[in-house]
Amino acid sequence: QKEVEQNSGPLSVPEGAIASLNCTYSDRVSQSFFWYRQYSGKSPELIMSIYSNGDKEDGRFTAQLNKASQYVSLLIRDSQPSDSATYLCAVNQAGTALIFGKGTTLSVSS
Amino acid sequence: KAGVTQTPRYLIKTRGQQVTLSCSPISGHRSVSWYQQTPGQGLQFLFEYFSETQRNKGNFPGRFSGRQFSNSRSEMNVSTLELGDSALYLCASSYNFGGTSYEQYFGPGTRLTVT
Repeated sequence: QKEVEQNSGPLSVPEGAIASLNCTYSDRVSQSFFWYRQYSGKSPELIMSIYSNGDKEDGRFTAQLNKASQYVSLLIRDSQPSDSATYLCAVNQAGTALIFGKGTTLSVSS
Repeated sequence: KAGVTQTPRYLIKTRGQQVTLSCSPISGHRSVSWYQQTPGQGLQFLFEYFSETQRNKGNFPGRFSGRQFSNSRSEMNVSTLELGDSALYLCASSYNFGGTSYEQYFGPGTRLTVT
C-alpha cells in the first residue's frame, strides 16, 4: 500500500515567520512530487511541483526533495494570514495515480 | 485559458438513486482523474481516464464508474447511492506526454449530499 504521510497539525506560525511543512512517502520509485493548497470549502490549488533532488524556489515558496530519505518539504517564507489553509502533499510515478497525504493545516496569526 | 469546470456544483440525492457528474478539462489536457474527498478519509483516488480509456482505478466499489469522451470531457456515475457517498467529488485534468501525466489542476468540485 503506497502511503504519503503528513503531520495533520495545526501548525501555527506568526506573520512574517517561515512555515515548514513536511511529507514522507513509502514508494521508493516515486518520481513526481506536488504541493497543493486548499482553503476551507474550496478545491486544491497546485502551488509547487518538483521532480529532482534539491530545492526549487517560486516566490515565497521553496520545495525540497530528498529521494534517498523519501522526504519532501515545503517552506513558506514571510508567512501571511492569507497562507492559512490546508497543504496537501501528493506523489506519483509515471503512469500511476497521484497519491495524496491527508494534509497539514497551517494557521498564520497576525 | 479556462480552468477545469464541473457540473453541477451542488447536488442532493436520496439513498438508492443514481447520479452523474460532469467534468470538462483544461483545453489540451487529455488526462482526467476523479477523486472523492471526505473529512475523515481525505482525498481518495477514484479513476483516471486518458484517450477515452480508463488507465488507473482506485479501491472503490463497482457502483462508481466513469467514462471519457473523444473531446476529453469526462463523466462519473454513482449508482445505488449510500449515505456514505456524501462527499466533495473533484475532477482534475493534466497534460500528458509520452504516457506520463504531469501537474494536475482541479475543478471546483461537486458537493454531493445523500439523504
